[in-house]
Amino acid sequence: DTEVTQTPKHLVMGMTNKKSLKCEQHMGHRAMYWYKQKAKKPPELMFVYSYEKLSINESVPSRFSPECPNSSLLNLHLHALQPEDSALYLCASSQEGRARNTGELFFGEGSRLTVL
Amino acid sequence: AQSVAQPEDQVNVAEGNPLTVKCTYSVSGNPYLFWYVQYPNRGLQFLLKYITGDNLVKGSYGFEAEFNKSQTSFHLKKPSALVSDSALYFCAVRVPYGNNRLAFGKGNQVVVIP
Repeated sequence: DTEVTQTPKHLVMGMTNKKSLKCEQHMGHRAMYWYKQKAKKPPELMFVYSYEKLSINESVPSRFSPECPNSSLLNLHLHALQPEDSALYLCASSQEGRARNTGELFFGEGSRLTVL
Repeated sequence: AQSVAQPEDQVNVAEGNPLTVKCTYSVSGNPYLFWYVQYPNRGLQFLLKYITGDNLVKGSYGFEAEFNKSQTSFHLKKPSALVSDSALYFCAVRVPYGNNRLAFGKGNQVVVIP
């Protein structure tokens, strides 16, 4: 069983809607990640938070807005999405947030997003 | 920049036969290497990693991988495949003292035939 919990598991939204994806971990990890994954493709990095500060934004469109309220929580706010944004959104965490990060990522089960 | 190559799209193997999933990497310096598995409609699960030390790494579910620096490879192996090993397998590399980016290979679909 994964120790990274993502809600909701499934989300259907229109292009004018505002919704949020949530992620929670209680392993004391200091780095948290958002990935986007299309079917049968590798995950694509979107954002990295290290010690609750945004450290990487992979030029993601502003219709995706991340938030890290505390060290255990990570949100992804969605607004005015496009049908091509439909994908599996994966949250992950890792123990270390700084340079010498030898640790593996722990992934949640994902939130499957469909944009109509 | 770091990168990972998984040359095959799909690996078919009969149940009970040895399973090998290939991975080669390109990175400056010493890499941190990882294997993940993804079952249908699930997240990625960590299998094993190489950081330093013994080149043969043992992981979950009977999998192992061998780090070969001269060939820049990190192939995943299992002596006897099970039908339940059918899944999507990703190799990934991270650069030490880098920026926390994990570069994934394209993935290999493994099909174990009963």
